Amino acid sequence: AQSVTQLGSHVSVSEGALVLLRCNYSSSVPPYLFWYVQYPNQGLQLLLKYTSAATLVKGINGFEAEFKKSETSFHLTKPSAHMSDAAEYFCAVSGGTSYGKLTFGQGTILTVHP
Amino acid sequence: NAGVTQTPKFQVLKTGQSMTLQCAQDMNHEYMSWYRQDPGMGLRLIHYSVGAGITDQGEVPNGYNVSRSTTEDFPLRLLSAAPSQTSVYFCASSTSGSSYNEQFFGPGTRLTVL
Repeated sequence: AQSVTQLGSHVSVSEGALVLLRCNYSSSVPPYLFWYVQYPNQGLQLLLKYTSAATLVKGINGFEAEFKKSETSFHLTKPSAHMSDAAEYFCAVSGGTSYGKLTFGQGTILTVHP
Repeated sequence: NAGVTQTPKFQVLKTGQSMTLQCAQDMNHEYMSWYRQDPGMGLRLIHYSVGAGITDQGEVPNGYNVSRSTTEDFPLRLLSAAPSQTSVYFCASSTSGSSYNEQFFGPGTRLTVL
């Protein structure tokens, strides 16, 4: 069984500040981990994914995430927030024989203040 | 490529009515799936398909039916709508059922059951 916990349903930052969105996972098999972003009234778009090639993963729009097996974490960061980063972010896990089935966290709404 | 398309965008049903949510993809993807999104719960898998003629249940399949007669289409049927099925529904596809593949999401269908 797999599960994902996103700490903080709402995160608020100022424009130019560091963005840190937390994700912890549980998996009985080596996990594949994903971050998706959802802009208002749109579908989900992949930001980045971890597939065991490198623990530090760089994605689109300046985001990156680091896989830490010892902490079962995959936190998403961006050095400097832009107003356009305001959206809902989802962490998801798959792996083993899950046949592409994604297990999602609850989501974190990011607000960026001018 | 249009990617993953969903129709309708919005739908209001009365309790007990049936309807079909349409999903199509033009990327020749083998794997397709349906998720529902509810506030504070992330996305939950309803049904998925690893190829034409092959479907299986996800986490929350009750009250929904699917079939996959072609590679391109994966409709979701609500047999007898209930207020608990009020949600936003997303269709997704990927090249195969491998757990590390990116899934591409449609724009969603917002369903209200009165």
